[in-house]
Amino acid sequence: GQQVMQIPQYQHVQEGEDFTTYCNSSTTLSNIQWYKQRPGGHPVFLIQLVKSGEVKKQKRLTFQFGEAKKNSSLHITATQTTDVGTYFCAGYHSGTYKYIFGTGTRLKVLA
Amino acid sequence: GAGVSQSPRYKVAKRGQDVALRCDPISGHVSLFWYQQALGQGPEFLTYFQNEAQLDKSGLPSDRFFAERPEGSVSTLKIQRTQQEDSAVYLCASSMGGNTIYFGEGSWLTVV
Repeated sequence: GQQVMQIPQYQHVQEGEDFTTYCNSSTTLSNIQWYKQRPGGHPVFLIQLVKSGEVKKQKRLTFQFGEAKKNSSLHITATQTTDVGTYFCAGYHSGTYKYIFGTGTRLKVLA
Repeated sequence: GAGVSQSPRYKVAKRGQDVALRCDPISGHVSLFWYQQALGQGPEFLTYFQNEAQLDKSGLPSDRFFAERPEGSVSTLKIQRTQQEDSAVYLCASSMGGNTIYFGEGSWLTVV
């Protein structure tokens, strides 16, 4: 079946260091979304990528969608304590109605 | 409303009890999703509605789980004869059908 994996599972960084999480799908995706979930909170939509090779930036966050539309990454430059949380990717396949969430990467930022 | 509203926020059920979880999506949102999130895991898809039509229920784990959205707005997820493995956060999300999906704060179910 369709699976979406993320690595790493956990990441501890010192404040100011960069952080990257990688998302890999077992099948080609129509689009991919990224979410952030704070401890005890709910997933909050960050961005959607649709095109092969697409790169989007939101301030210190850079999102990439692979050429084959099977992988994606989220890079945070100069992390801050407010970046703490779990980052999920969610892949969408055309012809279905579901976003399949990745396993998540839990980010901890040490001040 | 301003966001997706879910109730109850917290529910403790005795094993074997039936529960009903309510979701009020953002007004006008056509698409409605239910997800189940166990502690430390990513959300797992349960079911999808487009207006009142349930187009995908492939994620419902057993026939004890039932969801409805009779008027294309409010949705209810019902779990019959709850079991301990049903303990999780149940997330509802809605969308206009385009890009952004808005999640509610979830209903935290604990089965004892």
